[in-house]
Amino acid sequence: DAKTTQPPSMDCAEGRAANLPCNHSTISGNEYVYWYRQIHSQGPQYIIHGLKNNETNEMASLIITEDRKSSTLILPHATLRDTAVYYCIVRVTGAGSYQLTFGKGTKLSVIP
Amino acid sequence: NAGVTQTPKFQVLKTGQSMTLQCAQDMNHNSMYWYRQDPGMGLRLIYYSASEGTTDKGEVPNGYNVSRLNKREFSLRLESAAPSQTSVYFCASSESQFGSWRTGAGANVLTFGAGSRLTVL
Repeated sequence: DAKTTQPPSMDCAEGRAANLPCNHSTISGNEYVYWYRQIHSQGPQYIIHGLKNNETNEMASLIITEDRKSSTLILPHATLRDTAVYYCIVRVTGAGSYQLTFGKGTKLSVIP
Repeated sequence: NAGVTQTPKFQVLKTGQSMTLQCAQDMNHNSMYWYRQDPGMGLRLIYYSASEGTTDKGEVPNGYNVSRLNKREFSLRLESAAPSQTSVYFCASSESQFGSWRTGAGANVLTFGAGSRLTVL
């Protein structure tokens, strides 16, 4: 199973870019990297996902290294509302199962 | 456009009581999931339903049962509640656990409900 490693917490100044790292050194060739966030005790919110190429949407950018062993989620201009726990996930469990397992994530605090 | 709706939002039970958490989605998704989240922990998968008519165990299924009532609804039942089941429960759905033209083949993108906070005394 591919597992992820994230720092438990990070701080970022409001208006600056927040760069959240994730290691997934055992990722398989056909496994996507997903990012979700959870604001306070709300339900997790999907942010972005990618396979090999870098991806960008209205919320964030995802940079995946060429060997796919790590990735970085970039929030280009962090605001106070981006304070949340951010989860980096790859698919786990056996062949034919596409379930996502959430670890403890990174608690991002955006500071005024 | 409600997305994923869970009821109830809050519930207090006594040990041994039973209850059912309800979940409904209006996005015509095929796959649905139940997770639990304990303080300071990530989410753990309890059960999932890949498609209407099928259910499978996740990481922590003991003490729970599920019913995929139809394509829209997926309920989670606690037959005899225990204090260890005190948690926040999240329902989620996805177009297909195998991905779609929208997300990419094999990309399973989940939409979550707001959660149900359960306390068992």
